[in-house]
Formats: sequence, structure tokens, C-alpha cells
Amino acid sequence: AQSVTQLGSHVSVSEGALVLLRCNYSSSVPPYLFWYVQYPNQGLQLLLKYTTGATLVKGINGFEAEFKKSETSFHLTKPSAHMSDAAEYFCAVSDFGGSTLGRLYFGRGTQLTVWP
Amino acid sequence: KAGVTQTPRYLIKTRGQQVTLSCSPISGHRSVSWYQQTPGQGLQFLFEYFSETQRNKGNFPGRFSGRQFSNSRSEMNVSTLELGDSALYLCASRGGEGNTEAFFGQGTRLTVV
Repeated sequence: AQSVTQLGSHVSVSEGALVLLRCNYSSSVPPYLFWYVQYPNQGLQLLLKYTTGATLVKGINGFEAEFKKSETSFHLTKPSAHMSDAAEYFCAVSDFGGSTLGRLYFGRGTQLTVWP
Repeated sequence: KAGVTQTPRYLIKTRGQQVTLSCSPISGHRSVSWYQQTPGQGLQFLFEYFSETQRNKGNFPGRFSGRQFSNSRSEMNVSTLELGDSALYLCASRGGEGNTEAFFGQGTRLTVV
């Protein structure tokens, strides 16, 4: 079965500072990995995804993530935080090829606060 | 291209009642999944429908049910509501087999009093 652990339920950074949100996964098959962002009272918006190929994935709004199989990690980074990045971020894993057929397993989320 | 549409956005129900939530996926998408989001349990998978067939089901009691129509629109129903059913219910649509990207609606906020 798949599972996701997000280290740190709250992360605070200053505007312009590096953003690093940590995600570790567990999967019995080659994983598909995702980062989603959620603003208050909204649904989830896909930031980026890793399926196969290049392990450094670039997404929207300047975010990127690197798939590291040896560390079972998929950490999300952004070189320079902006006030508009304040939101909750969710890491998710799925296999799409197995019995779960597209089911996403989510981490508990990391609330990002950006200070001016 | 219109996104995933969930109706209603907000709902208040009384314990013991039942409720039906609706989800219209992106045009052409055949897969619809439902998730429950609560502060205590986070995001939990309810079920997935593909071409009117339930293909996968999460660990929820039988009070939670769903269906998908021939136009891919989906509904989920919760019977005999409990206070603990208060949550944000999110619907996601995918194109189908081989499509890895799930697009989420804005959710329905259900409050049970």
C-alpha cells in the first residue's frame, strides 16, 4: 500500500526566502507523485507531478520538486517565497497501474506561512 | 474549458437526515473520485467511478454511496447523517486510463448539526 509522510505541519518563511516542504512516500510499486496546493475554502490545485523520466520536476508558480528514489522523497522547493504562496500544501502518491486504479494517498498537509 | 463543478458549495443538515452532493467533471473526463477532508483525518478517499462503474472504494461505512451517470456526472449520498460527517467533500476528475492528472472541484462544505 502507498502512504505519504509530510514532515512539519507548519512552515514559516520570510518573503524572498527559500521554501522547502518535505515529503516522504512509501510505495510497493513505482510511484506517481504529486504536490497540490489548497487556499482557504477552495479545492486542490495541482502544482506539479512526477510520473516517469526526469527526476527534477518543474511546476507552476516557480515551484519544483525532485524525486529521489533512494531516499523515497519528493520534497517541494521554491527559491524565493512570495506572500501569495501562503496556503496549505499536500503531497500525494498513487500507482495508477495497480489495484488502486487512480486513488490518491495524501499526506496530512503542511501549512505555509509567509512573513513580510 | 470548464473545470470540475460541485454543487452545492455549502450545506447544513440535521443529524439523521440524508444528503446528496453533485459533481460535474471536466468535459470528456470519464473518471470521478470523491474525497472527504476533515481537520482530524485529513484527506480520505471515498470512491472512484469510471464509465458508470465503481472501481475502487475507501474505508467508509455503507452510509456513504455514490453513482455515476452516462454523461459522467456523479453524485454521492450520505444517509443517516452523523455529526462526524461534517467535512469538505471534494470531487476530482481524470480523463481515464493512462491519465495521471486529477483535477479537483472547489468542494461542498457539509455541516451536520
